[in-house]
Amino acid sequence: ETGVTQSPTHLIKTRGQQVTLRCSSQSGHNTVSWYQQALGQGPQFIFQYYREEENGRGNFPPRFSGLQFPNYSSELNVNALELDDSALYLCASSSGQGIAEAFFGQGTRLTVV
Amino acid sequence: DQQVKQNSPSLSVQEGRISILNCDYTNSMFDYFLWYKKYPAEGPTFLISISSIKDKNEDGRFTVFLNKSAKHLSLHIVPSQPGDSAVYFCAASAKTSYDKVIFGPGTSLSVIP
Repeated sequence: ETGVTQSPTHLIKTRGQQVTLRCSSQSGHNTVSWYQQALGQGPQFIFQYYREEENGRGNFPPRFSGLQFPNYSSELNVNALELDDSALYLCASSSGQGIAEAFFGQGTRLTVV
Repeated sequence: DQQVKQNSPSLSVQEGRISILNCDYTNSMFDYFLWYKKYPAEGPTFLISISSIKDKNEDGRFTVFLNKSAKHLSLHIVPSQPGDSAVYFCAASAKTSYDKVIFGPGTSLSVIP
């Protein structure tokens, strides 16, 4: 049990809609990273939040945005959903900005139809 | 442009024998490498890591070897057990951007009893 929980576990949305995914980080962890894992691929880094500020971003368009709250939980928002956004979205928490080892949640499976 | 490559999508090994999972990287700025294991319907779990100042790191049955000149690392599991059957992801990061961990596509390991 890693202590990182994500909700919902599965979600179906229509193209053009907006979605919000949620992540509760492990107790004591102040850093949250979000990843997109398409079928047959490794997780791709979307962005990271450290103490409520965005700390780094991968090659994802601005319609992917996020938030981190004072309790270090986090949200991933995706606007104007496209079919290619269908993927497993993983949240990972770690105990510091420079710590690469992270604890992952079980992920949210998003399907865009 | 895949910066972290795992050229074997799958590997089958007999229980008790050695499993060797390979990983190649292209970015010479990478100086920290990690292996994650992922079971179906779960998030990736951190397994072992190695810094570029070392060429070997061992943790129980798991050993990671790093060959910087060849930009190659490998994970050895000895002896392999059926519970090791999972997808293994190689990942890398650079000191200048530990927030961006780049994952390979994964290798699915099956350990046959």
